[in-house]
Amino acid sequence: DGGITQSPKYLFRKEGQNVTLSCEQNLNHDAMYWYRQDPGQGLRLIYYSQIVNDFQKGDIAEGYSVSREKKESFPLTVTSAQKNPTAFYLCASSPGQGNQYFGPGTRLTVT
Amino acid sequence: GEDVEQSLFLSVREGDSSVINCTYTDSSSTYLYWYKQEPGAGLQLLTYIFSNMDMKQDQRLTVLLNKKDKHLSLRIADTQTGDSAIYFCAVKGGNQGGKLIFGQGTELSVKP
Repeated sequence: DGGITQSPKYLFRKEGQNVTLSCEQNLNHDAMYWYRQDPGQGLRLIYYSQIVNDFQKGDIAEGYSVSREKKESFPLTVTSAQKNPTAFYLCASSPGQGNQYFGPGTRLTVT
Repeated sequence: GEDVEQSLFLSVREGDSSVINCTYTDSSSTYLYWYKQEPGAGLQLLTYIFSNMDMKQDQRLTVLLNKKDKHLSLRIADTQTGDSAIYFCAVKGGNQGGKLIFGQGTELSVKP
């Protein structure tokens, strides 16, 4: 059963705490992406990785960090430096520069 | 920078056709996509069109591309209540690797 999984579906944290969102894929895709979605806005790219052990900043990388130690995993850490972390976070993967396929998302609420 | 624009809302009656429009600024866009998002879920790839095509049809879905006007549309024939969702237009620029630029999404409401 191939696909992209994100866990957990809902996450609650106190302000000032770092939190890590999980993204795993078994599609053997080289590229993986993290997006943030806010109400009434399109998706904005946080970080992306086109190959293991390499990643690039997207349009809104400040306050976030990632790692890509394994092809199938691309975790995103939301740090305390991110001023407005409450959002819906979506992970995607693609075979190289091919079509992107999305996971189910994680809704993060920081209070 | 590159920009993709969509109207925010569309309301139609069940059985009617829906047309969702999108405009973009990057003339070097290679692939153009339509994604569907149901409440609380991720994005589902509906269809895509390569920039050298004018039209693509897939069952109830028809994509039209006017490259001169940088205008993309998605027509859903015989719209059903299950089609109610947010539809995102996205474009892949020629000089941006695999990166996609998304529109704000159009919320389609289908009334019985």
